[in-house]
Amino acid sequence: EAAVTQSPRNKVTVTGGNVTLSCRQTNSHNYMYWYRQDTGHGLRLIHYSYGAGNLQIGDVPDGYKATRTTQEDFFLLLELASPSQTSLYFCASSGNTLYFGAGTRLSVL
Amino acid sequence: GDSVTQKQGQVTLSEDDFLFINCTYSTTTYPTLFWYVQYPGQGPQLLLKVTTANNKGISRGFEATYDKGTTSFHLQKASVQESDSAVYFCALVLSSGSWQLIFGSGTQLTVMP
Repeated sequence: EAAVTQSPRNKVTVTGGNVTLSCRQTNSHNYMYWYRQDTGHGLRLIHYSYGAGNLQIGDVPDGYKATRTTQEDFFLLLELASPSQTSLYFCASSGNTLYFGAGTRLSVL
Repeated sequence: GDSVTQKQGQVTLSEDDFLFINCTYSTTTYPTLFWYVQYPGQGPQLLLKVTTANNKGISRGFEATYDKGTTSFHLQKASVQESDSAVYFCALVLSSGSWQLIFGSGTQLTVMP
């Protein structure tokens, strides 16, 4: 069974704060993704990667950085968090389909 | 550009009702199409997948047919149960290499007992 684990599950920060969301997959997949989910917008791709050290820009990358340190680990960084980044964030990896983690709910006050 | 449209934000049904969720897409190619389901507190999971080769997907009583003429990929189920209450996303993949999916905005299905 494909496994994608995200941490933390919930995070609250203040405007201007520094946040790192973590994702680990044990599927040996090359591709990993970060999405955000907002009501009325569905899931929108922030960044993705096809291997350690690689980073590709998605559809809504502004205000986000990401880093893929290993095959298993993909991090999303918000260096100056803003209230518009309050959202539900999902990490995923892909084999013949996308496998999603359980999500991280981020609130920026 | 490529897009997926789900116009129904919310659907409320009673158990044993027929389900129909509308999805249309726009792309210059013949994409692979997906329906994902998201239960409360969980990430989305694949419900069914349809390619240009097979045209129809069936899973757990749900069915979707790929209609290239109308560029539609509607989701149907003959008789819904309370346990089907979830958010349903239609999606298409841009390329099989990177598996970049474009998602619709989602339809919240609530099934009343």
